[in-house]
Amino acid sequence: DAGITQSPRHKVTETGTPVTLRCHQTENHRYMYWYRQDPGHGLRLIHYSYGVKDTDKGEVSDGYSVSRSKTEDFLLTLESATSSQTSVYFCAIRQGMNTEAFFGQGTRLTVV
Amino acid sequence: DQQVKQNSPSLSVQEGRISILNCDYTNSMFDYFLWYKKYPAEGPTFLISISSIKDKNEDGRFTVFLNKSAKHLSLHIVPSQPGDSAVYFCAATGVYGGSQGNLIFGKGTKLSVKP
Repeated sequence: DAGITQSPRHKVTETGTPVTLRCHQTENHRYMYWYRQDPGHGLRLIHYSYGVKDTDKGEVSDGYSVSRSKTEDFLLTLESATSSQTSVYFCAIRQGMNTEAFFGQGTRLTVV
Repeated sequence: DQQVKQNSPSLSVQEGRISILNCDYTNSMFDYFLWYKKYPAEGPTFLISISSIKDKNEDGRFTVFLNKSAKHLSLHIVPSQPGDSAVYFCAATGVYGGSQGNLIFGKGTKLSVKP
């Protein structure tokens, strides 16, 4: 199994609070991705990183920010959580362009 | 605007028969395509991929076909087994003006293989 860990695995938070999800890899892969999975929407890309300090927006980036200060960690921050951000969040890593991505186990976030 | 489309939300197949899952894409700059399988409460797992320089790639029971002119790919599973019952996602990627390596997924197709 690819060395990718998401934390926390489950979180319940209140509307308006900031939340940070962490993705940690031990594979030294270049690319890292954050997705959310919602019924009827599949996997939607939030943000991704193509190197340390290099990030780009995905399809649903509003309300989210990311940071990657070192190769192994990619942080996703919900600046002020809303109920619409209740979802399952997946992190993925990929070594290069024409390679497969490996996914973490997911973080279930509930905003109440 | 969806760049990767899986227009069939679900598919039901008899065990032993062929399962064909379809995927369409709109961005001609995509040059690498992947299929993933997902069970509930787990992360997606990689199945098979294909580069745009090929039109077919095979791995055991799984074959992916790519038709670049139609911007269409399909995943064939032969023979289908009950353990193949899962949600299947198609994904596409490329490096172009608007992307430094994004990886875009479709909405998925839920496959049910009946014994």
